Amino acid sequence: DAGVIQSPRHEVTEMGQEVTLRCKPISGHNSLFWYRQTMMRGLELLIYFNNNVPIDDSGMPEDRFSAKMPNASFSTLKIQPSEPRDSAVYFCASSRVPGYTFGSGTRLTVV
Amino acid sequence: RKEVEQDPGPFNVPEGATVAFNCTYSNSASQSFFWYRQDCRKEPKLLMSVYSSGNEDGRFTAQLNRASQYISLLIRDSKLSDSATYLCVVNNAGNMLTFGGGTRLMVKP
Repeated sequence: DAGVIQSPRHEVTEMGQEVTLRCKPISGHNSLFWYRQTMMRGLELLIYFNNNVPIDDSGMPEDRFSAKMPNASFSTLKIQPSEPRDSAVYFCASSRVPGYTFGSGTRLTVV
Repeated sequence: RKEVEQDPGPFNVPEGATVAFNCTYSNSASQSFFWYRQDCRKEPKLLMSVYSSGNEDGRFTAQLNRASQYISLLIRDSKLSDSATYLCVVNNAGNMLTFGGGTRLMVKP
């Protein structure tokens, strides 16, 4: 089992650029979550998919953030345009109840 | 008030010591509870579930007090490798987990 795979591991981009983060969940897991982690705010849930359908996106900070899950094996989180305050580690996690398995995260730096 | 609250620490303890972390949660309807461990610059990983009757896994003991909405984690005979951040986690509905801010533990030789 390869676990939850995220790419890229690190991303440095300039303010105003579009950023796309990718996630491949564990096969057979029907729930997928995007979290953001910062020192100040800890782990925050951004959006949650169940069977590829977005269930709760109340944590998405603003319209600059969007997430898709076109099929059971792939999800993207897009930020457009990016801002320095978006700098954080973004984790994807997948689950088949109970408990989550996290990917290694994408460390995003917006300069 | 945060939904899941933890003392951020750090807790600095010598090897071999016993250390306890506490956590409180605000939603009385919370259904299940976990402790996750996160090493520096790594992803969180499930350490153990927390059951109403209390449960033990080797040197680790977890307790739940539903009446007080309080969860604890006890680590006996601390090892250097126990140094990490410990996240208290609550499942309120469906499959959504809410994470506390974490408690940092540093075990010194």
